[in-house]
Amino acid sequence: RKEVEQDPGPFNVPEGATVAFNCTYSNSASQSFFWYRQDCRKEPKLLMSVYSSGNEDGRFTAQLNRASQYISLLIRDSKLSDSATYLCVVNTYGGSQGNLIFGKGTKLSVKP
Amino acid sequence: NAGVMQNPRHLVRRRGQEARLRCSPMKGHSHVYWYRQLPEEGLKFMVYLQKENIIDESGMPKERFSAEFPKEGPSILRIQQVVRGDSAAYFCASPTDNEQFFGPGTRLTVL
Repeated sequence: RKEVEQDPGPFNVPEGATVAFNCTYSNSASQSFFWYRQDCRKEPKLLMSVYSSGNEDGRFTAQLNRASQYISLLIRDSKLSDSATYLCVVNTYGGSQGNLIFGKGTKLSVKP
Repeated sequence: NAGVMQNPRHLVRRRGQEARLRCSPMKGHSHVYWYRQLPEEGLKFMVYLQKENIIDESGMPKERFSAEFPKEGPSILRIQQVVRGDSAAYFCASPTDNEQFFGPGTRLTVL
């Protein structure tokens, strides 16, 4: 079983749509959780950290279910600029220390 | 990328040659992580270094790969006798309290 699993997509959605990505992780000792965004041939950039209580940043909402070892990302009112690959990332350490474990990513394409 | 620099951005090598990839973390930072992203794959941890010290090299291939972070100058990831399977994007990251900031990466192509 892979450490972090994501649906690779692609998700092709129209502008304004709501889209949800899911991710599961295998190590129950994981301590910190993130969504990164990676544009084509670019470096990953942190989109948001994910907290047990769930958290929201503008149009983006992240949820964590530790019991199910499941992480989600919801994007509302999709923009063309949201087109990218979204990487689910876990860490057995808290915060930014320790080697990050990446999923392969879910590709999103937002069309006009 | 918050000041993390990598060079070269693109590197082409023939099989059997050596590749040297450089990473300068954010100013004032003394730790770096190296990750490799094979085509159509997720990033994989390779090595974690502090200046003059390797902290965790559990992700490094056993042969041909080495890394260092000297007291002065950038961190260097060295790949000896490259093979086609080494073709990938190599990213380094500089950790802060809340996140790891990634550099722009070096894209290595082995012919």
